[in-house]
Amino acid sequence: QAQLQESGPGLVKPSETLSLTCTVSGGSITSYYWSWIRQPPGKGLEYIGYVYDRGSTNYNPSLKSRVTISVDTSKNQFSLRLTSVTAADTAVYYCARSTPGYYFDSWGQGTLVTVSS
Amino acid sequence: DIVMTQSPDSLAVSLGERATINCKSSQSVLYRSNNKNYLTWYQQKPGQPPKLLIYWASTRESGVPDRFSGSGSGTDFTLTISSLQAEDMAVYYCQQYYSTPYTFGQGTKLEIK
Repeated sequence: QAQLQESGPGLVKPSETLSLTCTVSGGSITSYYWSWIRQPPGKGLEYIGYVYDRGSTNYNPSLKSRVTISVDTSKNQFSLRLTSVTAADTAVYYCARSTPGYYFDSWGQGTLVTVSS
Repeated sequence: DIVMTQSPDSLAVSLGERATINCKSSQSVLYRSNNKNYLTWYQQKPGQPPKLLIYWASTRESGVPDRFSGSGSGTDFTLTISSLQAEDMAVYYCQQYYSTPYTFGQGTKLEIK
């Protein structure tokens, strides 16, 4: 199975942009959906969106106006940008893989992003 | 959005006993064309990502002990742990992948009595 690893700043100021990257190893980035999912401390899981290897995307309507997910197949990476963050965006952010239309079968370990001044 | 509702929110079960967690979706997640329920179960332990246990509502992921089983169809689903082990202490989530946005249940915390 593929291994996924999130990276990026652990602290972001309010109103700024959260940027994370997920590096995929042990498998090709092609032919899968690559998703971001987040989990506020002590709370449940929220789907943010996915990117397909050809660049098509799907976003949760609750975040759509602030989210961009992109893929760089040459680097086997995909990325998340979330603009205008507030304290409500503080969460562990996970990247995950799924076969198109299927369940999440591989997850990264997650990275905590805190929004605070 | 499809709303996933789990019950109970928390559950305390003695070692060796059966644990049952329910999940209800606000609309059917059964895809008629292939007769598959687009429902999965995850186990999450503190500080770890969710671990896939069951997909297609009842198919056990490779390596998952056979004491874990999933059942149900349409809108009502159940995760059963037939004989609880200490390592099964975790939070369990159901999730639908029938339509986007993919949605999760609120989680059920399983504790040892």
